[in-house]
Amino acid sequence: SQQGEEDPQALSIQEGENATMNCSYKTSINNLQWYRQNSGRGLVHLILIRSNEREKHSGRLRVTLDTSKKSSSLLITASRAADTASYFCATDVFGEGAQKLVFGQGTRLTINP
Amino acid sequence: NAGVMQNPRHLVRRRGQEARLRCSPMKGHSHVYWYRQLPEEGLKFMVYLQKENIIDESGMPKERFSAEFPKEGPSILRIQQVVRGDSAAYFCASSPSGGHYGYTFGSGTRLTVV
Repeated sequence: SQQGEEDPQALSIQEGENATMNCSYKTSINNLQWYRQNSGRGLVHLILIRSNEREKHSGRLRVTLDTSKKSSSLLITASRAADTASYFCATDVFGEGAQKLVFGQGTRLTINP
Repeated sequence: NAGVMQNPRHLVRRRGQEARLRCSPMKGHSHVYWYRQLPEEGLKFMVYLQKENIIDESGMPKERFSAEFPKEGPSILRIQQVVRGDSAAYFCASSPSGGHYGYTFGSGTRLTVV
């Protein structure tokens, strides 16, 4: 299976609620990044958390990283309809030749008005 | 700062034709990465290049696909004799330092093979 695996694959919540997405990975990493992709569009970088960090905030986003469990979570608070998108975690892989991002399959988030 | 520019945004090719996808990295970025995304899937790494060098092509299919990043001009991903299975979105990303501070993605080229 893939390096980055998101859970759940799809999430549908009401506007105003919080959305939590999880990501697990297998190998050592330099950092872990979260991206958003609106349907049919490119990727937007949301947040980068380094392997020596445990938590990071950016506006309504909160990311945690647990390197002992090889997992990360992305929390979006007070969700809005505009948050509807696919969210991908990507691990910046360490020790496999050159650095590159390894993406999971993504979580499709739907915010219902 | 125009960001990572990819063109064309959409490309239609008949089976057997060649597809050329172009990527101009952000100003000051000398590291370029190509990814492919099939429908409803995540992005899969294809190749990592620096100016005039291929650093890692472990994700490139062995045949028909090639990439370059010349000293002058954009990076080019070239697909020869396209087949229907090549239909996908191809994204380019750039970074100033091999990814230590993150990557900037372009809007992608959506290739359709008919």
